[in-house]
Amino acid sequence: SAVISQKPSRDICQRGTSLTIQCQVDSQVTMMFWYRQQPGQSLTLIATANQGSEATYESGFVIDKFPISRPNLTFSTLTVSNMSPEDSSIYLCSVTVSGRAKNTQYFGPGTRLTVL
Amino acid sequence: AQSVTQLGSHVSVSEGALVLLRCNYSSSVPPYLFWYVQYPNQGLQLLLKYTSAATLVKGINDFEAEFKKSETSFHLTKPSAHMSDAAEYFCAVSDNGRGAQKLVFGQGTRLTINP
Repeated sequence: SAVISQKPSRDICQRGTSLTIQCQVDSQVTMMFWYRQQPGQSLTLIATANQGSEATYESGFVIDKFPISRPNLTFSTLTVSNMSPEDSSIYLCSVTVSGRAKNTQYFGPGTRLTVL
Repeated sequence: AQSVTQLGSHVSVSEGALVLLRCNYSSSVPPYLFWYVQYPNQGLQLLLKYTSAATLVKGINDFEAEFKKSETSFHLTKPSAHMSDAAEYFCAVSDNGRGAQKLVFGQGTRLTINP
């Protein structure tokens, strides 16, 4: 598996501002993903973070709202831009690793965002 | 397209009783299937996974699940519930590793354990 950390663990933000969430992994991983979990809901994939190129977004998510970077194999950021109360969610990154567990995603602890 | 349906958004059992959480999937390719657990204010922890090997899969904390292709099911069981099992459980499906490996989650089942 992999040890995944996220910063910040939680934040309270004002409407119209932006927040950048960091995801750091302790080893090189093959794929990195960003998910959103709205209050009381399941997880929805936002995008796949591609190393050195633009992220691949799922239907309903756009780069202007959720810009993603992945400058290397162990780090990625997700920015939630021009926030509104509807963006209040838990944001989680996940990774897959090489080897026998290559098809398994491991999740970070999540970032709990509240937008006022 | 892949999808997952978890029957029962809330399940309540007594301590020591059998736990059964239901999951049915839909997939156009041979699926990989996963159960994750989420404790309050935490991320997701992998309980177990099916990736086309043995159909009966054993995971952590005495949980197990059986892949039944004919029923398109992957139900999660535990013989004897413990108070510490109270959490949200998510079933998820992905492709067989040759595609994008994206996970599609069910809506989750909240498990409550009664003393």
